[in-house]
Amino acid sequence: DTEVTQTPKHLVMGMTNKKSLKCEQHMGHRAMYWYKQKAKKPPELMFVYSYEKLSINESVPSRFSPECPNSSLLNLHLHALQPEDSALYLCASSQASRNGELFFGEGSRLTVL
Amino acid sequence: GESVGLHLPTLSVQEGDNSIINCAYSNSASDYFIWYKQESGKGPQFIIDIRSNMDKRQGQRVTVLLNKTVKHLSLQIAATQPGDSAVYFCAETTNDMRFGAGTRLTVKP
Repeated sequence: DTEVTQTPKHLVMGMTNKKSLKCEQHMGHRAMYWYKQKAKKPPELMFVYSYEKLSINESVPSRFSPECPNSSLLNLHLHALQPEDSALYLCASSQASRNGELFFGEGSRLTVL
Repeated sequence: GESVGLHLPTLSVQEGDNSIINCAYSNSASDYFIWYKQESGKGPQFIIDIRSNMDKRQGQRVTVLLNKTVKHLSLQIAATQPGDSAVYFCAETTNDMRFGAGTRLTVKP
């Protein structure tokens, strides 16, 4: 299994809603990542988890809250988002942080109304 | 600022021609580089990688060249096909896999 699975594929939420994006991998990878991608832009790194510990937070606003319940799962909790947060949110994993290729999921397309 | 970047935002080639996509980086300590391909509506996909102790690496129809002197790498695609149409990103891992701006490759039939 070389897949990274993200759910939901599409999410529409209001600015007062609380929702979560989920990511799962069963490759035994110990590093997991959240990226945000706006249209016609490269993916922007948001968070990195290494061995289930948050190792990088790229000054992301607190309305985005990551969680790594175990080595296979990564969540991104969303609360009080703004319309400018609408984007494709990509999850990725790698064998270790700073080492080797990233395996990406298909992304969760988020629209904030 | 960005640690990697690309020279051209778009590239259009005829089917069957070779394509060359360029990337510049600024961190001389960068030691590992990856090219990714992103098709519309999908996540980025690994194409090929290269470590700083190499100048060239070849895959199936793709070659990556690394010039550490001028901090430049390129992706060459031989006999470009319509299925190669996508956005191509270079990325380097010194800063936890940050991506350059991307080049959109369009293949004309």
